[in-house]
Order: sequence, then structure tokens, then C-alpha cells
Amino acid sequence: DQQVKQNSPSLSVQEGRISILNCDYTNSMFDYFLWYKKYPAEGPTFLISISSIKDKNEDGRFTVFLNKSAKHLSLHIVPSQPGDSAVYFCAASVGGGADGLTFGKGTHLIIQP
Amino acid sequence: EAQVTQNPRYLITVTGKKLTVTCSQNMNHEYMSWYRQDPGLGLRQIYYSMNVEVTDKGDVPEGYKVSRKEKRNFPLILESPSPNQTSLYFCASRGTSGSIYEQYFGPGTRLTVT
Repeated sequence: DQQVKQNSPSLSVQEGRISILNCDYTNSMFDYFLWYKKYPAEGPTFLISISSIKDKNEDGRFTVFLNKSAKHLSLHIVPSQPGDSAVYFCAASVGGGADGLTFGKGTHLIIQP
Repeated sequence: EAQVTQNPRYLITVTGKKLTVTCSQNMNHEYMSWYRQDPGLGLRQIYYSMNVEVTDKGDVPEGYKVSRKEKRNFPLILESPSPNQTSLYFCASRGTSGSIYEQYFGPGTRLTVT
């Protein structure tokens, strides 16, 4: 049973527009959520996170929104830039993350010039 | 520079030939883990370790072993590799203070088992 779901394998967005990546989860025990970005031939790098006590966290062009009642979070990138083209993974953790992160399958974001 | 290193980066081997992928971190992190990434399946945790001599199974531990004899090192051992272990492997570490949820990943090891 997949606990973290990213239902869009890929997303194409024009440069300068807003990119919205979605993630759904089923485990109500998750209390911390993270987004990772991955370029080919590199390891994932941490992008932004949000605690379940918040509904929004912003860092520059990146904003993560959390809707606990819907068990849904989204990552907004605005404006989208060519360097944002990468695979984005949504991840979730329970408590202190003692047993690691549960990842979604990833969404390949392609920024078109 | 704070980093997680893995060796080798690429490995082609044959079924049944024991191999070890090394992982080392220089951030004095207590927590280390191994993931594998497969097309359409995302990242799945193989094993993790909360500290020296403390290891536990993740979601897909079958066919793998790990050891944590030193804090900085967390090798992944495939005693008898099989073709279904062909994958991209990532080691990760994190501390237990500050941003405890944020894991730092190594560059990956692409393993092919023929």
C-alpha cells in the first residue's frame, strides 16, 4: 500500500509560469513533510519542508501548502526557471523520523523556454 | 565540505558474486540509511541505522545486509546479488538535533547484476 502518492509522473510548465506539484498521503500519523529535488546522476537534495502544525511554508520561490483534512500537500514554484527542471519527490515522516522517510514515486518537472 | 560519499559510483557484476557498496559521511550524523530507486517505484528504504551497532530493516531488506561498526560508515552488502537487485542505490544520513527530518543523500551507486 503506497502511503505517499504523486499521481503525476510528469509535468510540463512554461518558463516564468507557476509550477504546482501535488502529493497525497494516507497515513494520518505523518507529521512532517518534505520535498526533495533530484537531477540526473545526482542524489536527491532537500528543498523545503513543513510540519503538520502549519499549513504553509515559504522559502523564496518555493511554497509548500498542507491540507491535513484532505491529506494533501502541494509545492508551488513561482516563477518557474529552466534550472527547476528535475524530478521532485514528496516525502513524509512520523515523529522523529526514526524509521526514515516514506517517499512518493516522484514527478518529473520540465520547464519549457 | 559536508557530504555523503559512496563507492563505487557504477558497478556491473554477475549473479552470485558478493559485493559491498561503501557509504561514508563527515557530518557526525547518528542516523544513516540506504535506499534504492527504481523506475515507477520512487525511493524505497532498504535498511537504516540509528547509531553504531544499531541497525533495522526498512521496506525492502531482502537480499541485503548492513553493518555499522563506526559512526561515519554504513556499508551495504549483497552476499549473492541477483538481477532484481539491479537498481540505483542511495545512502543518506541525518543528525538527531536541529533539522532532524532532513536527510542528506550521497550521489548514488548504479548497480547492474547480469
